[in-house]
Amino acid sequence: AQTVTQSQPEMSVQEAETVTLSCTYDTSENNYYLFWYKQPPSRQMILVIRQEAYKQQNATENRFSVNFQKAAKSFSLKISDSQLGDTAMYFCAFMKRGSYIPTFGRGTSLIVHP
Amino acid sequence: SQTIHQWPATLVQPVGSPLSLECTVEGTSNPNLYWYRQAAGRGLQLLFYSVGIGQISSEVPQNLSASRPQDRQFILSSKKLLLSDSGFYLCAWRGDRDEETQYFGPGTRLLVL
Repeated sequence: AQTVTQSQPEMSVQEAETVTLSCTYDTSENNYYLFWYKQPPSRQMILVIRQEAYKQQNATENRFSVNFQKAAKSFSLKISDSQLGDTAMYFCAFMKRGSYIPTFGRGTSLIVHP
Repeated sequence: SQTIHQWPATLVQPVGSPLSLECTVEGTSNPNLYWYRQAAGRGLQLLFYSVGIGQISSEVPQNLSASRPQDRQFILSSKKLLLSDSGFYLCAWRGDRDEETQYFGPGTRLLVL
């Protein structure tokens, strides 16, 4: 079974600075997808970024980028130029290709201070 | 574009009362549908998922049940609520052509008193 570990329960950053959230996973699969979701105080889960394991290039979405290290089974999220609206819980998730069920980490609470 | 709706947004129910939460998806056909529960300050727990009408898989044994009467409708039910059923319930969908990505609805806050 796959496991996803987010070792930082809480993080904080000053507005306009950069922060990195860590995620590691354990799997014997070779074809899979990795995701970062954001859950703001409204609690709706919003997809931030997605990475296909077969792609070596790290995914980016505006201020959000990932550092995908397949051999190390690491998938960190970097948020540049942090904004107050980035305050949220962030969940890392893994899904084997062809599977119906993702595995989520326990989340990291990020607070952006003005 | 696809959208997902959940209602009600908030619900306060007494212990022992029945429950019905509804989720509908628009703009797609034959989606995979999911029900998750999130207790306060905790991660996501997958309750049920469905790959088609009438096809329900249960991940956690409990007093909840799910049904999929129509292609884009997913219902979470209980005959008698427990205090431990309180939480935030999220519905999610995944399209066949969307490379394994789940998209979530706005959620329902349930408080059982």
